[in-house]
Amino acid sequence: GQNIDQPTEMTATEGAIVQINCTYQTSGFNGLFWYQQHAGEAPTFLSYNVLDGLEEKGRFSSFLSRSKGYSYLLLKELQMKDSASYLCAVGGDMRFGAGTRLTVKP
Amino acid sequence: GAGVSQTPSNKVTEKGKYVELRCDPISGHTALYWYRQSLGQGPEFLIYFQGTGAADDSGLPNDRFFAVRPEGSVSTLKIQRTERGDSAVYLCASSLDPGQPQHFGDGTRLSIL
Repeated sequence: GQNIDQPTEMTATEGAIVQINCTYQTSGFNGLFWYQQHAGEAPTFLSYNVLDGLEEKGRFSSFLSRSKGYSYLLLKELQMKDSASYLCAVGGDMRFGAGTRLTVKP
Repeated sequence: GAGVSQTPSNKVTEKGKYVELRCDPISGHTALYWYRQSLGQGPEFLIYFQGTGAADDSGLPNDRFFAVRPEGSVSTLKIQRTERGDSAVYLCASSLDPGQPQHFGDGTRLSIL
């Protein structure tokens, strides 16, 4: 089976840095994915880690530790448009966590 | 278009009716996934196909739910004897292969009255 945990809500200030954590337990591991979902819209792919370490992609970075079953998504230079839910997903069958709703305040 | 297409975008029906939701994935994508999502929740896995076969259908809540992908492209999610609790947004996603980044459709908002 699989268990994926993320904080339910986070708040941060425009221009700041925020780290969203995801812990998981899975019987099979094919990679860990992060998606962004704005209210009323479909999720969109942000980043993917299959090996341990940090993957950087502009203002977004994602880190993975397979031995610890842990990942985080780091968002730098926050903008108001980054207010959204951030979803962590694992496994070949792509099970999702409940998502973290991020609110960016001026 | 080049994206994942889902039809209808909205469906309102009465309790007890039968509904079919369609997903047209990106051409060449072998993996296709169905999820449902309720307000404030993450996508709940229902089933995924690798080609024509259901590789994992363990997320289907009960035998009222069934999905097919007969030619390895378009998929249909079928719900019999709908209940009010089936109301949700049904999302479809496809990826080049299992374990690759998914591309989502805009979803079908299903409302059971």
